[in-house]
Amino acid sequence: AQKITQTQPGMFVQEKEAVTLDCTYDTSDPSYGLFWYKQPSSGEMIFLIYQGSYDQQNATEGRYSLNFQKARKSANLVISASQLGDSAMYFCAMREDGTSGSRLTFGEGTQLTVNP
Amino acid sequence: GAGVSQSPSNKVTEKGKDVELRCDPISGHTALYWYRQSLGQGLEFLIYFQGNSAPDKSGLPSDRFSAERTGGSVSTLTIQRTQQEDSAVYLCASSLTVVTYNEQFFGPGTRLTVL
Repeated sequence: AQKITQTQPGMFVQEKEAVTLDCTYDTSDPSYGLFWYKQPSSGEMIFLIYQGSYDQQNATEGRYSLNFQKARKSANLVISASQLGDSAMYFCAMREDGTSGSRLTFGEGTQLTVNP
Repeated sequence: GAGVSQSPSNKVTEKGKDVELRCDPISGHTALYWYRQSLGQGLEFLIYFQGNSAPDKSGLPSDRFSAERTGGSVSTLTIQRTQQEDSAVYLCASSLTVVTYNEQFFGPGTRLTVL
């Protein structure tokens, strides 16, 4: 079974609008972390936001927020006030305490395009 | 530098040749990870280091792949007798420790093309 599922291969949003990128995960480990990374066309992976499995509140970092619904095993990324520079591939990833080295397991990614 | 660096940024090689990819992690980061990103396979884990030790090599796709880390810092990923299916972007990441809540910081990657 896929550990991380991103069901939206591509998303389009108008500049200044908000957009939600979906991510569901599968784990039986009670201790885990969820991460979102942005990968522009230049190829670098940029860390955006982190949510721990024991965190009571949803994580926020500037225009990024993570809608964490633990019972549903979802960790959707919300980008508010989209900018042209937000156009990139976005990856949801998970680290599990029980996994050797707490390696990251990635979803397939969502290609976000922000239109002017 | 402040971030993770990788060299070379691009490598074109002929099938059957050996290649070495280098990663310089963020200073003080004890954990170092290698991932591979290819069109058909997405992002896949290869190997990680805790200090100079590689406790888990299960992600390496074949025995042609090996990696080492020295001085708790620089790591080298070596691919022997390269094949066309080895063509991919190889990403290195470092993390303060292996604990779950430490984010992994990625380098710019090495794009490997095997002709």
